[in-house]
Amino acid sequence: DGGITQSPKYLFRKEGQNVTLSCEQNLNHDAMYWYRQDPGQGLRLIYYSQIVNDFQKGDIAEGYSVSREKKESFPLTVTSAQKNPTAFYLCASSQDPGELFFGEGSRLTVL
Amino acid sequence: QQPVQSPQAVILREGEDAVINCSSSKALYSVHWYRQKHGEAPVFLMILLKGGEQKGHDKISASFNEKKQQSSLYLTASQLSYSGTYFCGTEIQGNKLVFGAGTILRVKS
Repeated sequence: DGGITQSPKYLFRKEGQNVTLSCEQNLNHDAMYWYRQDPGQGLRLIYYSQIVNDFQKGDIAEGYSVSREKKESFPLTVTSAQKNPTAFYLCASSQDPGELFFGEGSRLTVL
Repeated sequence: QQPVQSPQAVILREGEDAVINCSSSKALYSVHWYRQKHGEAPVFLMILLKGGEQKGHDKISASFNEKKQQSSLYLTASQLSYSGTYFCGTEIQGNKLVFGAGTILRVKS
């Protein structure tokens, strides 16, 4: 089945640690995205990529980093510079112009 | 840059209708609508690509007024399954989709 796989589903981190969230898609989509969702709030764009080896900052990129070395993979690293990283993280992909297909999300909690 | 959605929340009884609005301060290439159930990923409802376009399926439809930079989602004869948070996403340029804060819809029996 085609889709987007995010892992891990739940992740706990100590303050000062970097963590990497995985996002893999087998839909052959060119564009991939990372969104952050806080309780009761909308989805805020962290980074997006329209093609391999290229990506752009979204509205809240500070404290995050990404890479796009392969078409199917778009990992997100939450660095220690992100002051309030506890949130629900959603990865998505699309083929322009078209709907976003979302993964099931990764819930990160900082202890 | 974030589109503004209204209302923030609405409570309906089964069978009632609702309208959710989405407006942007910038010219739009497209508008997307998604519904999210609690703890789940958003699910695509529809995309509107042209000014003045209206689309729909089943009892959910939407319009896009390009000149006014506005879109509205219409839910007719609501069902319990319509409950969730509705998000509009607006594309201003080059595949960058920005979402509104969401509208919480609750349908009661």
